Amino acid sequence: KNQVEQSPQSLIILEGKNCTLQCNYTVSPFSNLRWYKQDTGRGPVSLTIMTFSENTKSNGRYTATLDADTKQSSLHITASQLSDSASYICVVSSGALGGNLIFGKGTKLSVKP
Amino acid sequence: NAGVTQTPKFRILKIGQSMTLQCTQDMNHNYMYWYRQDPGMGLKLIYYSVGAGITDKGEVPNGYNVSRSTTEDFPLRLELAAPSQTSVYFCASSSLAGTSGKGAYEQYFGPGTRLTVT
Repeated sequence: KNQVEQSPQSLIILEGKNCTLQCNYTVSPFSNLRWYKQDTGRGPVSLTIMTFSENTKSNGRYTATLDADTKQSSLHITASQLSDSASYICVVSSGALGGNLIFGKGTKLSVKP
Repeated sequence: NAGVTQTPKFRILKIGQSMTLQCTQDMNHNYMYWYRQDPGMGLKLIYYSVGAGITDKGEVPNGYNVSRSTTEDFPLRLELAAPSQTSVYFCASSSLAGTSGKGAYEQYFGPGTRLTVT
C-alpha cells in the first residue's frame, strides 16, 4: 500500500534554532517528492520538488534531502523564525496520470520566541 | 494573478442539503484537483480534471460530483450532505501532472473551504 509517514507529529523549538523533519515513504512507482508548508487556515504552499536523481534541494533556509534507496527524505530548517510555525507536509508522486499524490499527515512545527 | 480562488470560505449545511463549492484559477492550467483534509489526516484526492470536459475520480469520490466546462472553473457538488463530509476542501491546479524525470510541475492550492455538516 502506498504510504507516506512523517515524524515527529509535532515539534516545538526556540527561535533561531535549527530543526529536521523526517519523511519515510513506500510509494511505487516513484516520480517525485515534494515538501509543502501549510500555515493554519491556508492552503499548502510548495517548498521543494525533487525527482529520484536529486539528493538535495534548497529554498532559502529550507533544505530537503532525498535518499531514493532507503525511501527517506528530510527537511532541514536553518535559523528558525516565528513565521516558520506551520505544518510541513511531505508528498510523494507515484507518477500515475492525473498526478497521483500521496500526502503525509504533516509535522506541526511551533517556533517560540 | 489571483491564482486559485475558492468560495465560500466557510459553510454550515444541514444533513441532506446540497451545495456547490466554487473553484477558479487564472493561470491557464490544464489540471485541476479537489482534495479534502480531515483533522490530523493527509489530504485525500476527491476528483481531478486534465482539461475542459474531462474529469476522473480520485481516492474518495463518493458523495461528490464535478464538472469542467471551462479551463478556469472546476466546481465541486455535494448532494445529500452527510456529517462524514465535514472537512476542509482544497482546490488546486497545475500546468502538467507530475510524471517522471523533469516533468514534475507543482500544484498551486486555493485557500480552502471549511464545511460543517450537522
